[in-house]
Amino acid sequence: QKEVEQDPGPLSVPEGAIVSLNCTYSNSAFQYFMWYRQYSRKGPELLMYTYSSGNKEDGRFTAQVDKSSKYISLFIRDSQPSDSATYLCAMSGYNTDKLIFGTGTRLQVFP
Amino acid sequence: DGGITQSPKYLFRKEGQNVTLSCEQNLNHDAMYWYRQDPGQGLRLIYYSQIVNDFQKGDIAEGYSVSREKKESFPLTVTSAQKNPTAFYLCASSIASGQSEQYFGPGTRLTVT
Repeated sequence: QKEVEQDPGPLSVPEGAIVSLNCTYSNSAFQYFMWYRQYSRKGPELLMYTYSSGNKEDGRFTAQVDKSSKYISLFIRDSQPSDSATYLCAMSGYNTDKLIFGTGTRLQVFP
Repeated sequence: DGGITQSPKYLFRKEGQNVTLSCEQNLNHDAMYWYRQDPGQGLRLIYYSQIVNDFQKGDIAEGYSVSREKKESFPLTVTSAQKNPTAFYLCASSIASGQSEQYFGPGTRLTVT
């Protein structure tokens, strides 16, 4: 079993839809949770960074962490074609250099 | 204009040749990292450096080598001992070791034939 599981998609939605992207994990020591956006043939861009459980909102993006269920989510409101990319979740324990990445979910937002 | 630069964007080599990938950052970050990305797999850590003149192996260090002689630079050499070198290589940095916020460069696509 992988430490981090992420549905590869592709997830195809119409412009304006609310998108939900999810990851599950098995290691209860994870404390820090990140979402990266990666356009084709580009490096990942850090979108959201959260510590422990709870919600964090930034513009159209909301990150949720439920440590009791070992489940994290990224919600995108009013999705745009420019949101079409692969979304990677990543997580780590306390005071470690090692990030554990999901395999990424490919999102397509069509006009 | 602060950031991480990787060069070249595309690199082609013949099997049996060593090749060095460049990574430079002007963010004044202490820690730097090299990852490899393959289709259908998450990013995998090759090597990381917490401070100048120090580096540690990641999960898949075999067939790779690094150096960290300057804070700004962390080159990765893919040696002929690496069995499957064709991949997308990503360099990242963070302000300090143990800080989970890692920022990535644009990547280098290496193709070995």
